[in-house]
Amino acid sequence: KAGVTQTPRYLIKTRGQQVTLSCSPISGHRSVSWYQQTPGQGLQFLFEYFSETQRNKGNFPGRFSGRQFSNSRSEMNVSTLELGDSALYLCASSLGPTQPQHFGDGTRLSIL
Amino acid sequence: AQKVTQAQTEISVVEKEDVTLDCVYETRDTTYYLFWYKQPPSGELVFLIRRNSFDEQNEISGRYSWNFQKSTSSFNFTITASQVVDSAVYFCAYSFSGNTPLVFGKGTRLSVIA
Repeated sequence: KAGVTQTPRYLIKTRGQQVTLSCSPISGHRSVSWYQQTPGQGLQFLFEYFSETQRNKGNFPGRFSGRQFSNSRSEMNVSTLELGDSALYLCASSLGPTQPQHFGDGTRLSIL
Repeated sequence: AQKVTQAQTEISVVEKEDVTLDCVYETRDTTYYLFWYKQPPSGELVFLIRRNSFDEQNEISGRYSWNFQKSTSSFNFTITASQVVDSAVYFCAYSFSGNTPLVFGKGTRLSVIA
């Protein structure tokens, strides 16, 4: 059974640009969550989608947004990139909102 | 607000030693869930266990065991006879809903030396 797939694995952008990260959940999983991991702040919850609806949102500025498609695949977008957005972005999927999450390998985003 | 504390930032042990990773949480919720995840160098977070607040039974899975004590708000993780492949960062996490959002501790980096 394929795991959670995140693309791309690595990304380099410059300040002011925007970026879109993609996440394909485990087959059959309808809940997708996104987390940001940095050395300073650790792992922080960004948002969760279930059946194309955002269920929860973390404490991040509006530059961070996401969406989920009918096939449960999800994308997150960060606009007007800042140096502090450099991080590992992890996507997790689960069967439903109360089931354990399974994580992908992450997308490492570097901002120059 | 809920909080998860992993006081041990880094631990180094020699192979075959037992090691315990500590996790202390703070919450006012009566129903909640606690998790452990392992993060190897590849970056992926690997789910190890989920325990709800009504189940204080200790659990053992191979060389791994977990001790949940509500009286001390702790959910500690022990690796018996550690192996080099156990080297990773281990995260303890909390959720009031069983899933998201997960509140993570800062993690404990375990190095097992051959």
